[in-house]
Amino acid sequence: KNQVEQSPQSLIILEGKNCTLQCNYTVSPFSNLRWYKQDTGRGPVSLTIMTFSENTKSNGRYTATLDADTKQSSLHITASQLSDSASYICVWNAGNNRKLIWGLGTSLAVNP
Amino acid sequence: EAQVTQNPRYLITVTGKKLTVTCSQNMNHEYMSWYRQDPGLGLRQIYYSMNVEVTDKGDVPEGYKVSRKEKRNFPLILESPSPNQTSLYFCASTGQGNTEAFFGQGTRLTVV
Repeated sequence: KNQVEQSPQSLIILEGKNCTLQCNYTVSPFSNLRWYKQDTGRGPVSLTIMTFSENTKSNGRYTATLDADTKQSSLHITASQLSDSASYICVWNAGNNRKLIWGLGTSLAVNP
Repeated sequence: EAQVTQNPRYLITVTGKKLTVTCSQNMNHEYMSWYRQDPGLGLRQIYYSMNVEVTDKGDVPEGYKVSRKEKRNFPLILESPSPNQTSLYFCASTGQGNTEAFFGQGTRLTVV
């Protein structure tokens, strides 16, 4: 069983719509939880990094939330654009960069 | 411009022929790592390095070697490649603290 689980596995939305991606993790303790965006065949790009004391963090149209009690995080994308089509990956970090546990990602397709 | 550079981007080789994938970063980061990414399995860490001459195994180190003689370079060596090492490889570097990881463009390796 993956220690970082993401849902849905894939999602299709229309341009301009909002969407929310989910991440549940079972490992603890942790130092920070990260969200990355990965375009097909390219390296992941960091969107947000949240420590256990942070509830929310925004990066433009991307807003991540964290509930350390329930071990859940979400990534909300507002007013989606075609360029948002990518895989979004949730990553648990023990805090020393030594151990990162990567989720399998949610594949998002934004259609015109 | 801050970047992580991997070479080559694409490589097709035959079983048993030693190869090296280079990785270089220009951000003076202490921490560097190598990942492989396979469909359905997400990113898995191969090796990481906390600093010059300090390397350690990740989750899937079998069949790989690394070296960290200089801070900026972290080559991945496959002494005797096998078809099960056909994959998409990423190098990443991270500074100290809760900072984001920067990824290279990826190397798509095919071993026939």
